[in-house]
Amino acid sequence: AQSVTQLDSQVPVFEEAPVELRCNYSSSVSVYLFWYVQYPNQGLQLLLKYLSGSTLVKGINGFEAEFNKSQTSFHLRKPSVHISDTAEYFCAVSDQGFKTIFGAGTRLFVKA
Amino acid sequence: EPEVTQTPSHQVTQMGQEVILRCVPISNHLYFYWYRQILGQKVEFLVSFYNNEISEKSEIFDDQFSVERPDGSNFTLKIRSTKLEDSAMYFCASTTTGEPEQYFGPGTRLTVT
Repeated sequence: AQSVTQLDSQVPVFEEAPVELRCNYSSSVSVYLFWYVQYPNQGLQLLLKYLSGSTLVKGINGFEAEFNKSQTSFHLRKPSVHISDTAEYFCAVSDQGFKTIFGAGTRLFVKA
Repeated sequence: EPEVTQTPSHQVTQMGQEVILRCVPISNHLYFYWYRQILGQKVEFLVSFYNNEISEKSEIFDDQFSVERPDGSNFTLKIRSTKLEDSAMYFCASTTTGEPEQYFGPGTRLTVT
């Protein structure tokens, strides 16, 4: 069975500092990996996805993630965060699209 | 760009009442899903639907829940007798054959009082 572990429930960081949100997954089959962002009282917005090919994936809003098969990780990074990046971030895994399994989420709090 | 739509955006109902949440998936998509997110918690898979039948469901999706594709465009989630603990955001999603990325709708916030 697939599962996703987000290692940090909350990450406070100062504006313009770099940030890494950690995600590990487990799956017995080939996986597809996603990061979603959710702003308060809003829906899910896809940040980026790994389907195949290059292990470094670039997404919207300056975010990127690296797929590491040997470590079963898909950590999300941004070199310089803004106040507007304050939100909940969900890592997710899918196999052939039959369902998506989400992690518990990491709340990124950017301080001025 | 085509998108998944959901109605209503917010539904308030009394405990024990039936509710139907509606979704219009992207028109050429063939796989449909419902997820829920209880306030402050993670998004949980409820059910997947393909070729007019349920392909997979979670343990959350008990006999109180049902899904239907009543016509060529809508996909509905029915809760027969709502409970307080059904209060959550419900997301619909769809995808097409061979496409692992699901496209999510904006959600319906269900409040059971």
